[in-house]
Amino acid sequence: GAGVSQSPRYKVTKRGQDVALRCDPISGHVSLYWYRQALGQGPEFLTYFNYEAQQDKSGLPNDRFSAERPEGSISTLTIQRTEQRDSAMYRCASSIRDRAGNTIYFGEGSWLTVV
Amino acid sequence: EDQVTQSPEALRLQEGESSSLNCSYTVSGLRGLFWYRQDPGKGPEFLFTLYSAGEEKEKERLKATLTKKESFLHITAPKPEDSATYLCAVQAKGSGNTGKLIFGQGTTLQVKP
Repeated sequence: GAGVSQSPRYKVTKRGQDVALRCDPISGHVSLYWYRQALGQGPEFLTYFNYEAQQDKSGLPNDRFSAERPEGSISTLTIQRTEQRDSAMYRCASSIRDRAGNTIYFGEGSWLTVV
Repeated sequence: EDQVTQSPEALRLQEGESSSLNCSYTVSGLRGLFWYRQDPGKGPEFLFTLYSAGEEKEKERLKATLTKKESFLHITAPKPEDSATYLCAVQAKGSGNTGKLIFGQGTTLQVKP
């Protein structure tokens, strides 16, 4: 597609339920990132994929959070046993290395509310 | 610890009133400094990447500059459509090939007609 596509755009879930957020990166982009953004703050890094390999997951808050990108394209961020503190905007981004370095393009985000 | 601080948090300008936004950073080796624009309810939109001190880049009314400790985003004769949150982020050499960005909290700019 023309840009990074995320779904669902909005998700309301009950505490304790599992949620899965999907990201479809820009075609041809080998690098994929997940960020979390609280209101009034900049995005906070969660995890990074190079093709299908998860090369950095240092930003995942705890073991309830996991991500996968099995075929090196679409990625899923899963949050198990959701808690109210998980409520936030979750943003996916992708990039392709060029001569100028990595320019990272962001999607519109998935807004998660845990009630 | 790598860190990015932006100031001011909010800025109100009259149309045509030029100003600058500041991004101070501490990083263990800078690989790149990025500026993004973010409109309400939207994802960050890429503006510039700067790689070394002394580098400057321009786009319409925006000009970004970089020193060893900070970056400035200069806005010349702003228009109401320039109203947005401007985010600064750094990419550290220690991040390897991950391209992980560390963001500041942003500066929210409002330009009044």
